[in-house]
Amino acid sequence: DQQVKQNSPSLSVQEGRISILNCDYTNSMFDYFLWYKKYPAEGPTFLISISSIKDKNEDGRFTVFLNKSAKHLSLHIVPSQPGDSAVYFCACNAGGTSYGKLTFGQGTILTVHP
Amino acid sequence: EPEVTQTPSHQVTQMGQEVILRCVPISNHLYFYWYRQILGQKVEFLVSFYNNEISEKSEIFDDQFSVERPDGSNFTLKIRSTKLEDSAMYFCASSESGYPGYTFGSGTRLTVV
Repeated sequence: DQQVKQNSPSLSVQEGRISILNCDYTNSMFDYFLWYKKYPAEGPTFLISISSIKDKNEDGRFTVFLNKSAKHLSLHIVPSQPGDSAVYFCACNAGGTSYGKLTFGQGTILTVHP
Repeated sequence: EPEVTQTPSHQVTQMGQEVILRCVPISNHLYFYWYRQILGQKVEFLVSFYNNEISEKSEIFDDQFSVERPDGSNFTLKIRSTKLEDSAMYFCASSESGYPGYTFGSGTRLTVV
């Protein structure tokens, strides 16, 4: 299942700098997009989401950008902190009868160095 | 903060045995989900459950799998006859409204030997 792809398996960033995580999708039925963060031995934790009617959504240090024509979304974390080190998953939802079903990317391991 | 609780955290079972994974969703939530993650692979949707019935299931969720909400608090996933390839981390999730930003539990690691 290659509907959602995160092409960077890992990203290393210095504390205080910007982290940019990317995600591409192929299914044009997706209309709601989310980012989850996962620490070892824990379940995914919801971070931020965006509807297809928007191109940007901010929540504190986290901003998600959506480019529908390119079928691309990104998560910006500014400034990055060591506690942000985790695996980040993008997830997509098709709405309608797939109201709850999420299709996940394979994840990007973010490491923020002090 | 309310949590989704999953038990046990790790279960080892013999191939062919039945296994039941248990979840206690957040108390006012109405939508329930199971996902799994095989080691090194993506988190995959298994099933969604609302109003005491399955609302959607994936191709993975075949006749060997079933879900149940036996009382007002528990949500279970049963695998009737486990196979080696069922070894994975199984995540339960719940949502108040069906809105996809739902809450996941910490998972049950199932090892089939």
